Amino acid sequence: ILNVEQSPQSLHVQEGDSTNFTCSFPSSNFYALHWYRWETAKSPEALFVMTLNGDEKKKGRISATLNTKEGYSYLYIKGSQPEDSATYLCASQGNSGYALNFGKGTSLLVTP
Amino acid sequence: SQTIHQWPATLVQPVGSPLSLECTVEGTSNPNLYWYRQAAGRGLQLLFYSVGIGQISSEVPQNLSASRPQDRQFILSSKKLLLSDSGFYLCAWVKYSGANVLTFGAGSRLTVL
Repeated sequence: ILNVEQSPQSLHVQEGDSTNFTCSFPSSNFYALHWYRWETAKSPEALFVMTLNGDEKKKGRISATLNTKEGYSYLYIKGSQPEDSATYLCASQGNSGYALNFGKGTSLLVTP
Repeated sequence: SQTIHQWPATLVQPVGSPLSLECTVEGTSNPNLYWYRQAAGRGLQLLFYSVGIGQISSEVPQNLSASRPQDRQFILSSKKLLLSDSGFYLCAWVKYSGANVLTFGAGSRLTVL
């Protein structure tokens, strides 16, 4: 089982602030790194999946980077909005290809 | 389009009672299916996954079991619930193995008293 760690555990920012979270994962037997957003009372929704060292993905104000050699990924949110409030989960996928192992998530609260 | 259904949405059960949570996927065939659980203060924990009918892999030994009687049906069961089984259960699917994202169901909140 790949152990995935996320930090910080929670974050409270003001509207308009930019923020970032960290996901660390074992770099051995790595296949892919996933980011999901989990809003209260909804299902987790996929944001990004990355496989190659140096990958960068962007969706609107949210972007993510991947470093497979050192085993970390960053998620950035530029100009946070209240609707960005959610728990952000990262998950590491190993070479077996079947299972994702999730971190505990970073809970983000954006207040107006 | 593909959809995933999961029920019941909430369940309150006494210790020692049986459990059955059901998940079905529509609009696709031969999906990989997963059961995850989030217990209080913990991250999403993979319980079971299935790559085909009758094929079940267990990630964590416990008093739960899973079955896949049909291609797009995944059932999570227990004969006797424990207090520690309380949590939020999520079913998920993906069409192919590889770097493909999971699609999750709405979840089932189980409280064992």
